[in-house]
Parts: sequence; structure tokens; C-alpha cells
Amino acid sequence: DAKTTQPNSMESNEEEPVHLPCNHSTISGTDYIHWYRQLPSQGPEYVIHGLTSNVNNRMASLAIAEDRKSSTLILHRATLRDAAVYYCILRDVDGGTSYGKLTFGQGTILTVHP
Amino acid sequence: DTEVTQTPKHLVMGMTNKKSLKCEQHMGHRAMYWYKQKAKKPPELMFVYSYEKLSINESVPSRFSPECPNSSLLNLHLHALQPEDSALYLCASSRGQPNTDTQYFGPGTRLTVL
Repeated sequence: DAKTTQPNSMESNEEEPVHLPCNHSTISGTDYIHWYRQLPSQGPEYVIHGLTSNVNNRMASLAIAEDRKSSTLILHRATLRDAAVYYCILRDVDGGTSYGKLTFGQGTILTVHP
Repeated sequence: DTEVTQTPKHLVMGMTNKKSLKCEQHMGHRAMYWYKQKAKKPPELMFVYSYEKLSINESVPSRFSPECPNSSLLNLHLHALQPEDSALYLCASSRGQPNTDTQYFGPGTRLTVL
């Protein structure tokens, strides 16, 4: 899988928007951008994914740059429950040697202050 | 039911013990995964089962032996482990298209090898 780069940590205040960036300059045309998060003492959970267009769901929005070399996960109103490690992952739908793999990078530790 | 359950939650074992970790899902998913997560590190894939057949072994030492008795169950048999094998072991499942599916994770089994 192509590599992603995320800041080690970010901080936010409760009820404010949070923009979590991810750089993926070597992304290929068949790579989907996935975001997972891992709350303390839990397994990772799926947040959102996209290919080219911006995506929204009940948890977050995903903004994808026009050249697809970067993306931003947007939490519209952070809550204390959103404090977690957020992972940006590229997944190649063609599989090959990355068949079935979620290759997690170091992720961004998000701290939310009351 | 969108839950992946793992038992036990915690396990302490000696280096000469044999133990097993169990994972169960009732979502009709046909792909199941084992990941290993060391403290403050991202999860790393160990094994992928697709339609009850082992499709990926990420060069995991033979002291870890996976088993998929049926489409709902995934076991990880442990034998002659080393202290460095202490970690959180995460199970996940997905519909059956490992390259594209959302993966659902269990809470993990925290293993300590003495």
C-alpha cells in the first residue's frame, strides 16, 4: 500500500470542528482513502472512505484534494468521545500483494479538551 | 448485530503453556482477520481468512496457529510463546471482499507472556 503521512498529535476543544490532515503523495489511481479510529482500550472502528469526491456520513466528512495527494477528515463538532487515534489508510481495490490488508500508519492522536 | 466478540479479554500465560484466543461474529461475514498491536503502535496484520480458507499469513512464527472452524468463528492457538509476544490481539471481520470491505474489529485480547 502507498504510504500516508499524518501529524503525530492534534488538540481540539469540545464542540469545535476538527480538521485532521493526511498526505499521500504517491497515491495511485485505484487507491481508496480510508479512515479508521481507535478509541482508548478498544479495537479500531471504520470512520469513512472515498476515492475522488468529498464524502459525508453521520460520523464525519472526508475532503479529498483535486490531485488526490492529500485529504482531510473533518469532525464537525468534536466531543470528548472523539478522543482517539485516527488512521488514514490507502487501500488498492486491485489487491495484488496488498490483498485483504489494512496497513496502519502511526496515526494522529486527537485530544479533545472540555 | 454488528459486534465482533473476543474471549478472553485478558490472558496471562507462561512460555510453556498452550492457550487459545477465540473470535466470533454473527454478521454473516466471510472474511476474518487477526492483528497484533504492541503498546503505542498501530495494529499489524497477522492472518487473513477468506471463506474459511487461509489467504494471507504475514510470515507469522509457527508458535501462532490460526484456525477457522466455520464462517462465524476464528481461533488463534498459542504455544511456546516468548515475552515479546505480549500484545493486544485484535480480531476483525468483513463481508468477504477483503480488498474493499469495511473491517469490523473486536475489543481485543490483551496477552501477557511471562
